[in-house]
Amino acid sequence: EAQVTQNPRYLITVTGKKLTVTCSQNMNHEYMSWYRQDPGLGLRQIYYSMNVEVTDKGDVPEGYKVSRKEKRNFPLILESPSPNQTSLYFCASSGTYYNEQFFGPGTRLTVL
Amino acid sequence: SQQGEEDPQALSIQEGENATMNCSYKTSINNLQWYRQNSGRGLVHLILIRSNEREKHSGRLRVTLDTSKKSSSLLITASRAADTASYFCATDAEGGSNYKLTFGKGTLLTVNP
Repeated sequence: EAQVTQNPRYLITVTGKKLTVTCSQNMNHEYMSWYRQDPGLGLRQIYYSMNVEVTDKGDVPEGYKVSRKEKRNFPLILESPSPNQTSLYFCASSGTYYNEQFFGPGTRLTVL
Repeated sequence: SQQGEEDPQALSIQEGENATMNCSYKTSINNLQWYRQNSGRGLVHLILIRSNEREKHSGRLRVTLDTSKKSSSLLITASRAADTASYFCATDAEGGSNYKLTFGKGTLLTVNP
């Protein structure tokens, strides 16, 4: 089944404790992206990747890192999480940036 | 920055009625997409309309695009309770090195049985 998976689905952590949210797709897509969704603000793009080893900042990259060492994986790294990073995070992939994006189920992160 | 902006922010209708949502954007685009999101879940792609298209249909969905007004509308006909969800438009920028798909804040549609 074609899908985008994210792990973990739910995470409660404390300020400053490094964490990684994994994202994997099995559709051989070149384009992958991370979004955060907050009430009243809609979806905002954090980082995106056009292909392996090619990443770029979205609209709200501060406090986040990404890597794209393999085509299928695009982990999101929070080196030192803060409470303002409490949000619902989505990973998405597509063949190209302007085509239909397939979204993962989301990761609800709470930073205390 | 937010490229697409949906209107209205919330819409409540009765089952069987039609629902119309609008999206306005600021810069020239290649394509405009509509997505649906059930509460707290991942977005699901509904329809894509290219900048050289004016109207597109998919089942009970009808999307129009007016590039001169930089706006699009999504019409859901004969709505059902299961259509209750948030609907987002997403646009990509034309040309340049902007390889981003930018989402609006969404319209929350409630269809009452």
